[in-house]
Amino acid sequence: GQNIDQPTEMTATEGAIVQINCTYQTSGFNGLFWYQQHAGEAPTFLSYNVLDGLEEKGRFSSFLSRSKGYSYLLLKELQMKDSASYLCAVRDPSNDYKLSFGAGTTVTVRA
Amino acid sequence: DSGVTQTPKHLITATGQRVTLRCSPRSGDLSVYWYQQSLDQGLQFLIQYYNGEERAKGNILERFSAQQFPDLHSELNLSSLELGDSALYFCASSNDMSSGNTIYFGEGSWLTVV
Repeated sequence: GQNIDQPTEMTATEGAIVQINCTYQTSGFNGLFWYQQHAGEAPTFLSYNVLDGLEEKGRFSSFLSRSKGYSYLLLKELQMKDSASYLCAVRDPSNDYKLSFGAGTTVTVRA
Repeated sequence: DSGVTQTPKHLITATGQRVTLRCSPRSGDLSVYWYQQSLDQGLQFLIQYYNGEERAKGNILERFSAQQFPDLHSELNLSSLELGDSALYFCASSNDMSSGNTIYFGEGSWLTVV
């Protein structure tokens, strides 16, 4: 089965940096995804990691360590619009390549 | 706009009734996924289809069923509805069931059971 853990809530100030951690325990691994979801809206794709290391995309970066079953999403220069839920998801080839999601981390950006 | 289209956007129905949610995947995508998201829960995987065939099943109730048609659109049928079935139902699609390709979500169908 899958076990994907991430903090429930985080709060940060506008312009600051926030790091959202995700740990996973799955039978297999074929990639880790980060999605952003505003309340009542569809999740939107942010990043994908399949190899160890850091992937940078503008203000957002994602890191993966497969040996540790660990990833983080780094949000820099926070803006009010970044207030949302951030979902960590893992694709498991031993489980029909299902994409399983963590419960999400709600980030609140304060002025 | 992800390119995944879901209808209806909102639906209110009574307990015991049956509803059908419809999804059109992105052009060229063969895989369709259904997820349920309740207010107090994260995204729960229900079922996946690839090119018309069921490929993976998650926590889908026996009262629920789905299918993918030859034109690749999919329908999720929810029957004998209960209050607890009220949720946001997302459809998502991708173009390869086994690769790391991203899955893209539709805007969701809000189901309220009263």
